[in-house]
Amino acid sequence: DTGVSQDPRHKITKRGQNVTFRCDPISEHNRLYWYRQTLGQGPEFLTYFQNEAQLEKSRLLSDRFSAERPKGSFSTLEIQRTEQGDSAMYLCASSASGRAGDTQYFGPGTRLTVL
Amino acid sequence: GESVGLHLPTLSVQEGDNSIINCAYSNSASDYFIWYKQESGKGPQFIIDIRSNMDKRQGQRVTVLLNKTVKHLSLQIAATQPGDSAVYFCAENTGGFKTIFGAGTRLFVKA
Repeated sequence: DTGVSQDPRHKITKRGQNVTFRCDPISEHNRLYWYRQTLGQGPEFLTYFQNEAQLEKSRLLSDRFSAERPKGSFSTLEIQRTEQGDSAMYLCASSASGRAGDTQYFGPGTRLTVL
Repeated sequence: GESVGLHLPTLSVQEGDNSIINCAYSNSASDYFIWYKQESGKGPQFIIDIRSNMDKRQGQRVTVLLNKTVKHLSLQIAATQPGDSAVYFCAENTGGFKTIFGAGTRLFVKA
């Protein structure tokens, strides 16, 4: 399977705990995105990497959230001191750089439940 | 501000009929539009896209229409099948990396 993969698929944690999610993009894609999706809503942009550089962060990404893409390949999204409001599906997408408006391909997501 | 919205939250069609899902956008600077399909428990799946210099694009059983005058986008699915049941999102891109999604329309296909 050469699509975007995410791990884990599901995570249940207690409020106050830290969690980390991993995303492996399509191998030839140098752009990587993180989104958050709550029930009944469309994905909301969180952050974007071009290669290893984090070029944009949404206001939704509070100080408790941090994302890395150390070698320009896989990425991690960490949430510290989780809150119940963090419960959502966290989606990763990747795309190949090109002209403006490149197609993003999504992974299956990690569903986070904070108790 | 930017917004991408949908006229109907749910759409129910008979198997074999054509489906039309509508979307309105407000940012006239958007130049790239995408339709995604999302099945339960899965990530959004790219269906078809269209750039602002076009008003129609066809794929396999799907057609996207873009009316820039009224900032309207639609997705037409021909001969709708049970496997088409899903939530459909339109999304817009103003150039570069940021894609803004609407809330989605759930399509039910009745056998």
